[in-house]
Amino acid sequence: DQQVKQNSPSLSVQEGRISILNCDYTNSMFDYFLWYKKYPAEGPTFLISISSIKDKNEDGRFTVFLNKSAKHLSLHIVPSQPGDSAVYFCAASEASGTYKYIFGTGTRLKVLA
Amino acid sequence: EPEVTQTPSHQVTQMGQEVILRCVPISNHLYFYWYRQILGQKVEFLVSFYNNEISEKSEIFDDQFSVERPDGSNFTLKIRSTKLEDSAMYFCAITQEDKNQPQHFGDGTRLSIL
Repeated sequence: DQQVKQNSPSLSVQEGRISILNCDYTNSMFDYFLWYKKYPAEGPTFLISISSIKDKNEDGRFTVFLNKSAKHLSLHIVPSQPGDSAVYFCAASEASGTYKYIFGTGTRLKVLA
Repeated sequence: EPEVTQTPSHQVTQMGQEVILRCVPISNHLYFYWYRQILGQKVEFLVSFYNNEISEKSEIFDDQFSVERPDGSNFTLKIRSTKLEDSAMYFCAITQEDKNQPQHFGDGTRLSIL
C-alpha cells in the first residue's frame, strides 16, 4: 500500500544550486500535502505545505509545486545550502477523516560545499 | 522551538514487557497523533486522538496498543506486551485549533525490544 512514493532515495547537489525533490501519490482524495525535513535523532520538522486548490506555494528558499492531474508534487530548494542536508519526507492527507498523514519513504539530500 | 516533548528518548525493554511512551505538549492542543518509523522504513500512522477518544487507528494499532491522556496534559502510548517487531522510533504529533494546520512532531522515543 504505497499511496505516497518518493522514487529517489538519495540526491546530491552542489551548494548554491537548485535541489528538486519529487513525490508521487495515487489517492485522488488527498487534498493537503506537506514536506518535512528530518535530521538523525530528531523528529520530522515541518517545512512547507500546499492545499489542493493551489499549484504553488513559496516560503523563502522553498517552493512546493503541485500537479494534480499527474498526482505529483515537488519541492524546490534554491539556493541549496550545506545545512539543508537531511532526509526529506513528503506527506499527504485527506479532507475527510482525521487528517492522518501518509508519508513517503524519504529522500536523503546531500548538499556539497 | 519544540512544541512537544517526548520521554524517554530511548527505552530498552525485554520482549513481553509493557512500555509506556509519553508526550507532553507545550500548550493546549486538540489533536494528537502517534506515528512510528521502523529503521530504514517510512513513518507510519498509528492512531489519532481527539476530544479524549480515539478518532482513527491503523491496522498496526492492535489490541496490544492503547492511548490515553491521564491528566489532561500528558498523552501516552502503551504497548501491553512488546514484541521484537515493535522496535522502532515512536513519534508523537500535535496540531492546535484546526486540523488543516501542519502537525508538529516531537523528537521521538527509540524503543528497542530485546
